[in-house]
Amino acid sequence: GQNIDQPTEMTATEGAIVQINCTYQTSGFNGLFWYQQHAGEAPTFLSYNVLDGLEEKGRFSSFLSRSKGYSYLLLKELQMKDSASYLCAVRDRSGGYQKVTFGTGTKLQVIP
Amino acid sequence: DTAVSQTPKYLVTQMGNDKSIKCEQNLGHDTMYWYKQDSKKFLKIMFSYNNKELIINETVPNRFSPKSPDKAHLNLHINSLELGDSAVYFCASSPKIDRPGANVLTFGAGSRLTVL
Repeated sequence: GQNIDQPTEMTATEGAIVQINCTYQTSGFNGLFWYQQHAGEAPTFLSYNVLDGLEEKGRFSSFLSRSKGYSYLLLKELQMKDSASYLCAVRDRSGGYQKVTFGTGTKLQVIP
Repeated sequence: DTAVSQTPKYLVTQMGNDKSIKCEQNLGHDTMYWYKQDSKKFLKIMFSYNNKELIINETVPNRFSPKSPDKAHLNLHINSLELGDSAVYFCASSPKIDRPGANVLTFGAGSRLTVL
């Protein structure tokens, strides 16, 4: 089974930097994803980490430490449109096939 | 447009009824999924099919029956609907699930089911 934890809510100021943490416990780890979900919409892919280290994609970066079961999503130069839920998801093998399991999501509110 | 499309987008029905949600993807993906997102926004996997074969079947009541006529379609039929079935159901697809790499999930827009 899996256990994925992330904060329920966060608030940050426009133009600032925010870090959303995710911890997980799983066997057969094979990758970690971050998705963004605006209210009433489908989740959309942001980033993927399978090796330790930082992956940078424009204003968004994601970090992974497999030994610590820890990841974070870093959002720089926050914009109002970044207000959304951010979902951490872990892929592992389940019954011979790989399965992606989502955390409960962190609702980020960006304020002026 | 290349996408994952699901219908209907909204569904309001009475307890005890039977309903279906359909999903189609034209991305050429081999693997399709149904996820349920409840009122607390928790996205939970229900089923996964790889090229028409059921590969993941989480603890879901027997009232839920997925059907995949071909690898581009995955439908969800729900019998005897209950109040607790009210949720948003997301269909998703990805490239072959066991292939190395990101295998990013592409989600449909969701089907909001309300059971009265």
